[in-house]
Amino acid sequence: DIQMTQSPSTLSASVGDRVTITCRASQSISGWLAWYQQRPGKAPKLLIYKTSTLESGVPSRFSGSQSGTEFTLTISSLQPDDFATYYCQHYNTYSTFGQGTKLEVK
Amino acid sequence: EVQLVESGGGLVQPGGSLKLSCAASGFTFSSYSMHWVRQAPGKGLEWISHIRTSSSTIYYADSVKGRFTISRDNAQNSLYLQMHSLRVKDTAIYYCARQRGSAWSEFDYWGQGTLVTVSS
Repeated sequence: DIQMTQSPSTLSASVGDRVTITCRASQSISGWLAWYQQRPGKAPKLLIYKTSTLESGVPSRFSGSQSGTEFTLTISSLQPDDFATYYCQHYNTYSTFGQGTKLEVK
Repeated sequence: EVQLVESGGGLVQPGGSLKLSCAASGFTFSSYSMHWVRQAPGKGLEWISHIRTSSSTIYYADSVKGRFTISRDNAQNSLYLQMHSLRVKDTAIYYCARQRGSAWSEFDYWGQGTLVTVSS
């Protein structure tokens, strides 16, 4: 089974900061990776798919990249709306989510 | 507008059963693979099951295999999750989600979730 290891589990930052969240796959996943944002009490929202494709309507301050089995979500300049929990997901026949990263106000 | 609305959650005793439903609207339900994902209180997301368009192929996470059954009724635009032998650790919000593409693909729409509480 493919494991997705996401880090950090918590990230403290301020409005305007550039932040990165990392997800490492236990083996090659050929770019089949998505990122979701989840606000408290709400369903997850798709941000990025196929490693780096921005979902329609998602601000361009969000970006995704890959280096080998390491995947990164970057928020270039944090906005107040961005404080939430983020999950990576490897999707195939069986899906696997990372453990989540809670982005909190510093 | 795409909508997914789950229902059927509630309080059930350990060992009991429950059937969740997900009503879909705003898209051609029969053309999309569907998934169930759950989230225990204060925890992360856990994928639990996947059903393809014609129900021809079904997959389960090991944690629910043999206890949960996913199904769909394309005529009724509905997805279901029949849960048996429920355990305390099955307590979670259960979400249905639409898979965008026909092959490996991300989940582009999610329902609001329905809470299942397994407790004596």
